[in-house]
Amino acid sequence: SQQGEEDPQALSIQEGENATMNCSYKTSINNLQWYRQNSGRGLVHLILIRSNEREKHSGRLRVTLDTSKKSSSLLITASRAADTASYFCATGQAGTALIFGKGTTLSVSS
Amino acid sequence: GAVVSQHPSRVICKSGTSVKIECRSLDFQATTMFWYRQFPKQSLMLMATSNEGSKATYEQGVEKDKFLINHASLTLSTLTVTSAHPEDSSFYICSARDQRLDNEKLFFGSGTQLSVL
Repeated sequence: SQQGEEDPQALSIQEGENATMNCSYKTSINNLQWYRQNSGRGLVHLILIRSNEREKHSGRLRVTLDTSKKSSSLLITASRAADTASYFCATGQAGTALIFGKGTTLSVSS
Repeated sequence: GAVVSQHPSRVICKSGTSVKIECRSLDFQATTMFWYRQFPKQSLMLMATSNEGSKATYEQGVEKDKFLINHASLTLSTLTVTSAHPEDSSFYICSARDQRLDNEKLFFGSGTQLSVL
């Protein structure tokens, strides 16, 4: 089963612009994670935000979490062509499998 | 970070044959590994949880006799697609947690693209 929706499904921007992706989920969570997947490859963990956190930063990444709305957003600032990938949010309990959202495909053109 | 190795990266087989995919944790032990399936331009769907030394736990709708999972050691889980058919063509990805680090984020193999002719 899938946890929720992400939007947009696809996003095309120019290098240097910011990219914002949104994720909604259905159940209560302890944390929410974002992963990146290059085409035809496995996923790479980007960032984790806990349910008691509202915002978290890591380099050019900024994640927000609104537990009242059951939603999260991932902002990539000053995007680069190398940021082109699919981005997924995921939730799950410690020790269990993660359930992934539908993902956003980001294309950054130079 | 922890490394998960998955082989093969790509396999093409004839309908009716079986295909084995290996997932290894290279620098840590994994009592649990997770197998996902991904169709083109779609998200990852959890197939099963592989448990070292015991039976795997399959998600609803996943045929256990079709997708055989063996987790014989703390560093190796295998997924065998038995009597593969074209509809089994998909991208299969394994993952695991390194409990020395935390019990939350997953480390993924690079995936196996299965094409059944």
